[in-house]
Formats: sequence, C-alpha cells, structure tokens
Amino acid sequence: SQTIHQWPATLVQPVGSPLSLECTVEGTSNPNLYWYRQAAGRGLQLLFYSVGIGQISSEVPQNLSASRPQDRQFILSSKKLLLSDSGFYLCAWSVQQDYNEQFFGPGTRLTVL
Amino acid sequence: GQNIDQPTEMTATEGAIVQINCTYQTSGFNGLFWYQQHAGEAPTFLSYNVLDGLEEKGRFSSFLSRSKGYSYLLLKELQMKDSASYLCAGLDSNYQLIWGAGTKLIIKP
Repeated sequence: SQTIHQWPATLVQPVGSPLSLECTVEGTSNPNLYWYRQAAGRGLQLLFYSVGIGQISSEVPQNLSASRPQDRQFILSSKKLLLSDSGFYLCAWSVQQDYNEQFFGPGTRLTVL
Repeated sequence: GQNIDQPTEMTATEGAIVQINCTYQTSGFNGLFWYQQHAGEAPTFLSYNVLDGLEEKGRFSSFLSRSKGYSYLLLKELQMKDSASYLCAGLDSNYQLIWGAGTKLIIKP
C-alpha cells in the first residue's frame, strides 16, 4: 500500500530564517507530487506541483521554492521566511494519467515569529 | 477565471440530514471531488463525480449537474464525528484541482 510522509509535524521559525520541509512517498512510482499551503480557516492554495524528477511548476510567485531530487521525494524550501509564510503545509501525491484523486500527507504546521 | 463557491459555515443537528452545495467554474471539466478535513488534519477523499446524477456511499451521497455547474454533498444520520470542513474541488482540462475554501460543518447534539 502507498504511504506519504511529511516532516516535521510542527515547526516554529523566526522571520528571516531558512526553511526545508520534506515529503516522501512509498509504494508507488512516478507519482505527481504537490505542495499546498492552507492558512487558518481557509482553503488549499497550490504552491508547486511536479510530474517528474527535476520538473517543478510554480503556481504562485513567492519566496518559496521546491525541488524533486528523487522520484518519490519532494522538498519545499525558503531562504528567508516571512510572517505571511505561516500556515499548514500539505504534501500530496496522485497517480499519473489518472483522474487525479490526491492523497495527502499529515501536514506541517509552520509558525513564523 | 476558475472559481469554486461553497458556503463558509453550516450548522446541523445530530441525527439530521445536511446538504452542502458547491458551484464551480473551471476551464474544461474532468470531474468534481469532495474531501473531508478535520481540524488540524489532512483532507481525506470522500467522493468523485464526473457524470450527472447521484452517487451514494453509505451515509454520504454526492450529486453533480454539469449543465448547471453545480454539485452537492448530502450527509445523512449526522454524527458528532462528522463535524469537519468539507472541501469541494473541480478538475479542470489540465487535470489540475481547483479548490474551494471549504464549508465548516458544526454538528450540535
């Protein structure tokens, strides 16, 4: 069966510090991968998606970046965090060439102070 | 532009029935998803509709009308554990999900 891992579960970082969130998927090959952010009480905002190693599409211009160094690894980074980066970050995967049901990881709650 | 509209919040009574509506405008259409999200947790899949009509799955049913750009999620025999946010998402012509802001459902005893 497929599983998706995200870490850390919670993170408190000062403004201006760097960020690295990691997501890995097990039990499937060549998945589509997604990074979302959800502000408190709001819907999901798609940040990045990837259809393959090294292939990243950015949906929203901002101070975040994403990388996919391996087939089942997706990393969200920032060089300098802003207060507005606080939120609930969710990684998700879906089967390529499918109707795109997305499976979500447990999420990382990021607080920037 | 692409847009998903759903009510911000609804309240219902334990044991009752509630209908959560969603209207969508997407560039092309390849289906409509409903997800459930408990506070502080990740969304989990509830249903997928691509053809008009009602899909029933236990206490939950989902309806789609493509001509009206409209869907609803029907929850029967409400239980306290159904208190959650319900997210509507449309699948566009590029197979990208367009998400609504979610409907927070509050269940009262």
